[in-house]
Amino acid sequence: DAGVIQSPRHEVTEMGQEVTLRCKPISGHNSLFWYRQTMMRGLELLIYFNNNVPIDDSGMPEDRFSAKMPNASFSTLKIQPSEPRDSAVYFCASSVLGESYEQYFGPGTRLTVT
Amino acid sequence: GNSVTQMEGPVTLSEEAFLTINCTYTATGYPSLFWYVQYPGEGLQLLLKATKADDKGSNKGFEATYRKETTSFHLEKGSVQVSDSAVYFCALMEERGSYIPTFGRGTSLIVHP
Repeated sequence: DAGVIQSPRHEVTEMGQEVTLRCKPISGHNSLFWYRQTMMRGLELLIYFNNNVPIDDSGMPEDRFSAKMPNASFSTLKIQPSEPRDSAVYFCASSVLGESYEQYFGPGTRLTVT
Repeated sequence: GNSVTQMEGPVTLSEEAFLTINCTYTATGYPSLFWYVQYPGEGLQLLLKATKADDKGSNKGFEATYRKETTSFHLEKGSVQVSDSAVYFCALMEERGSYIPTFGRGTSLIVHP
């Protein structure tokens, strides 16, 4: 199995630009999570989908952030407009609700906003 | 609400030393407990888990025992290697409600040759 796939692995953009991060969960997993990791704040849960439906987006910092999951094999996290304080590593993770609850993380996207 | 507290790092050890990373938790119910490891430049990956009191999770020489009476899940390894250098996260998941995991802040381990 390929594991969780994220793209791009690195993104450098200028303040004000739109950024789109992509995630392909493990086939058969029905839960998907977006996290943000920084030195200052640690690992933060941004949003959680179950069966493609957003269940909890209380961690989304502000309206500049949005996430979609149009089908079971693809999700996006969009930041528009981006700001320097959005610089972080963004992780996508998937799991099977109702089983072991182990989360499988992707390799992350390192975002730098200048 | 739920919370996980880990000892602050970094923890710096010499190769073959004994490792303990403390983890305590607060939960409203009866959670499953996890240790994840993050190697440099990678995502988190599950190291071990325990689903009920007195269960011991183990993997790659690491162990942790679910202690309900002390609400703890301390990670131990008898002899660390340089390759164990990573960040270790303690986490809990309650098998009801929102199914959202709660992670600790992570503890960095540095092992010197």
